[in-house]
Amino acid sequence: KQEVTQIPAALSVPEGENLVLNCSFTDSAIYNLQWFRQDPGKGLTSLLLIQSSQREQTSGRLNASLDKSSGRSTLYIAASQPGDSATYLCAGRESGGGADGLTFGKGTHLIIQP
Amino acid sequence: ETGVTQTPRHLVMGMTNKKSLKCEQHLGHNAMYWYKQSAKKPLELMFVYNFKEQTENNSVPSRFSPECPNSSHLFLHLHTLQPEDSALYLCASSQEALGTDTQYFGPGTRLTVL
Repeated sequence: KQEVTQIPAALSVPEGENLVLNCSFTDSAIYNLQWFRQDPGKGLTSLLLIQSSQREQTSGRLNASLDKSSGRSTLYIAASQPGDSATYLCAGRESGGGADGLTFGKGTHLIIQP
Repeated sequence: ETGVTQTPRHLVMGMTNKKSLKCEQHLGHNAMYWYKQSAKKPLELMFVYNFKEQTENNSVPSRFSPECPNSSHLFLHLHTLQPEDSALYLCASSQEALGTDTQYFGPGTRLTVL
């Protein structure tokens, strides 16, 4: 059964810094890996989706990488802003066909200090 | 707005009550999902529907009963719940019944069981 781990569990940095959030998964047989953002009491907003055949995806100041062989993904946030403060979740979608759901990590709670 | 709506946004119920959560997606997707988010635990997949057919039940107790009358609507019927069932219940949808698509989440229903 797939397990997803996110490190660190919490992170607080000054505004303007570049930072990296880490995600590891136990089963490399994944279709894709997705990064989400969750604001307090809210649902999830999809940030980036990396297919198993891809190495990275970029959207604005965000860059996500995927290394299936090592079971790792990273989310890089450049020039962080207070509005980036949220919980960031990574989730893997397993291979096997059908409409399988996602397996989530517990998230990294990020605070960007003004 | 992600195109996935959930009602109600907040629900308080007693252990003997019967209530239903509703999810509607306006994205023309064919797969819909229920997830549970409890405090300090990763998001957990509960049910998956693909073209109105249930394809996955992730060992969910029978006091939770899903219903998918069409590809746009998903319900979660609740009866005789326990206090430990208090959580944020999130609905999601995706385009195809494959592992390659982004899942879009609703804002969730915050459920409190007294």
